[in-house]
Amino acid sequence: DVVMTQSPLSLPVTLGQPASISCRSSQSLVYSDGNTYLNWFQQRPGQSPRRLIYKVSNRDSGVPDRFSGSGSGTDFTLKISRVEAEDVGVYYCMQGTHWPPGLTFGGGTKVEIK
Amino acid sequence: QVTLRESGPALVKPTQTLTLTCTFSGFSLSTSGMCVSWIRQPPGKALEWLALIDWDDDKYYSTSLKTRLTISKDTSKNQVVLTMTNMDPVDTATYYCARGCHEGVDYWGQGTLVTVSS
Repeated sequence: DVVMTQSPLSLPVTLGQPASISCRSSQSLVYSDGNTYLNWFQQRPGQSPRRLIYKVSNRDSGVPDRFSGSGSGTDFTLKISRVEAEDVGVYYCMQGTHWPPGLTFGGGTKVEIK
Repeated sequence: QVTLRESGPALVKPTQTLTLTCTFSGFSLSTSGMCVSWIRQPPGKALEWLALIDWDDDKYYSTSLKTRLTISKDTSKNQVVLTMTNMDPVDTATYYCARGCHEGVDYWGQGTLVTVSS
């Protein structure tokens, strides 16, 4: 099965400063249809996950434009241009390309304010 | 709007079978391209995908848990049911249902915490 590896595990950030999270897959995430099914989720404390980004770089409706996704093949990045207090939480990447057997999540990156 | 809600027991004993129900609205599982997944999260740990059922009644399971899982749907009731046999304390987790096929999971339920303890 494909393995998704996120780094760092924890990311202390100063308010207003940028943040960057890396997600690497053990195999290329390019699907047979040419798309790359890599999603990013935000999970605020005590809440359900919320999808931010789909297919590497497409923001979901209502997601602030300070969030952006990039990457290709096996290396992907989620960037927050200027961290706000409401961005505190754990961020997960998830692949849906290697289907079946199933969806695979990264281990998560905890974003906190310094 | 799309909503999903999980329901089931908060506490199960080891070796028992867990049955969870996902009741959803705002979409139909009889619509081509629609799917519902079950995903769980042990306390303080990462998300783990468990199973998915699609509009065509195709079912997919986590490789590591497939011998213990069964997913089914009742399209008329807008419900998806997950059963997990032989529960163990390591299965203690918040269980979520979510809409979406392998391309991407967009809407999630609030989750239901299941504790496995004697």
